[in-house]
Amino acid sequence: NAGVTQTPKFQVLKTGQSMTLQCAQDMNHNSMYWYRQDPGMGLRLIYYSASEGTTDKGEVPNGYNVSRLNKREFSLRLESAAPSQTSVYFCASRVDRVRDPFFGPGTRLTVL
Amino acid sequence: AQTVTQSQPEMSVQEAETVTLSCTYDTSESDYYLFWYKQPPSRQMILVIRQEAYKQQNATENRFSVNFQKAAKSFSLKISDSQLGDAAMYFCAYRSADARGSTLGRLYFGRGTQLTVWP
Repeated sequence: NAGVTQTPKFQVLKTGQSMTLQCAQDMNHNSMYWYRQDPGMGLRLIYYSASEGTTDKGEVPNGYNVSRLNKREFSLRLESAAPSQTSVYFCASRVDRVRDPFFGPGTRLTVL
Repeated sequence: AQTVTQSQPEMSVQEAETVTLSCTYDTSESDYYLFWYKQPPSRQMILVIRQEAYKQQNATENRFSVNFQKAAKSFSLKISDSQLGDAAMYFCAYRSADARGSTLGRLYFGRGTQLTVWP
């Protein structure tokens, strides 16, 4: 039982490049989330998914797209990376709307 | 929207001493949850303690306890007998208890307090 896993752990991109951050959970959770953490800031919600096949925007969605591929996986895509997207990205999941979320280990992304 | 404010960017404490981290929040809701998360250098988000707003009794987890003042919208974390392993960034967070709302249980975080523990 690995909980919430994220790949990659680290990534360096050049401005304009694209990439997909992967998140998977093996706890049969329904809801999944993507947050970003910037220096001096708490985590801010980018996108979330209530269930397989549904996604909604959070607080800072611009420049990102997401896909809830199945119940286990929730990916975050940067189509054209910008230096402002340099951040640490966290994926989280919850079994339902009542329980507390589990967080993944984070992905540190640097855009040059 | 809910906001969470941590007014202490940095705090320090001597090993074995007690330290209190402050957090205030703003909400119009009556039922919600409050959390303190610890983030060590590994970046992992670790839940330290949670408080349910409808409970008047302050939550306690071993050396960690909270002072929850609902009317003042204040939620401070007290760490007793501080240990070197307590050194980390601490985040205060808020979540609505409304299971039907469009917020879907998202967390609202403060900006964090960096805690240093001196030997």
